[in-house]
Amino acid sequence: AQSVSQHNHHVILSEAASLELGCNYSYGGTVNLFWYVQYPGQHLQLLLKYFSGDPLVKGIKGFEAEFIKSKFSFNLRKPSVQWSDTAEYFCAVNLMENNDMRFGAGTRLTVKP
Amino acid sequence: DAGITQSPRYKITETGRQVTLMCHQTWSHSYMFWYRQDLGHGLRLIYYSAAADITDKGEVSDGYVVSRSKTENFPLTLESATRSQTSVYFCASSGYSNQPQHFGDGTRLSIL
Repeated sequence: AQSVSQHNHHVILSEAASLELGCNYSYGGTVNLFWYVQYPGQHLQLLLKYFSGDPLVKGIKGFEAEFIKSKFSFNLRKPSVQWSDTAEYFCAVNLMENNDMRFGAGTRLTVKP
Repeated sequence: DAGITQSPRYKITETGRQVTLMCHQTWSHSYMFWYRQDLGHGLRLIYYSAAADITDKGEVSDGYVVSRSKTENFPLTLESATRSQTSVYFCASSGYSNQPQHFGDGTRLSIL
């Protein structure tokens, strides 16, 4: 079955630590990839997206993600997290052939000051 | 900017009751979506609509009904609510199916 897997359910880091959140998908066709962030009590907001071209994508607030097609992965990274990055992060994959958009289960990030 | 608004923000009801959650967007986006967010499951698609009068089932559509008589509105109805439908419901819209979606603030629905 088509799925999106986020490896970490809850990540706890100290400020200034580096972050990498994993995302893998099982679709075989052409995909568009997204990372969304949901701050406590708020709606989802787009962090970054990949459609084509350079597989290293830069988003807002210093986040970036790398699409590795051979690994079906789209991991999110940030070199130095801040307390304000505490949120839940969702990976999403759109399969272009059938308009299907699937979200991962989310990774909760807690950054300790 | 008004963007996408959901109402009500919070709702408590009883099993067997009919509940309608409203969603309104001001961008004239073609696509609209309903998701439910549950711990451990992330967001799961309930229904989506590609345009007025065109709707399609998502991953978890059983027990839900939608309509889209106007481009800007996409109400979601639980015809006979069950406890398993207690969740946070998010509406979203996008100009095209593969474009980033814009989300509403959510409706927290509790069914007793």
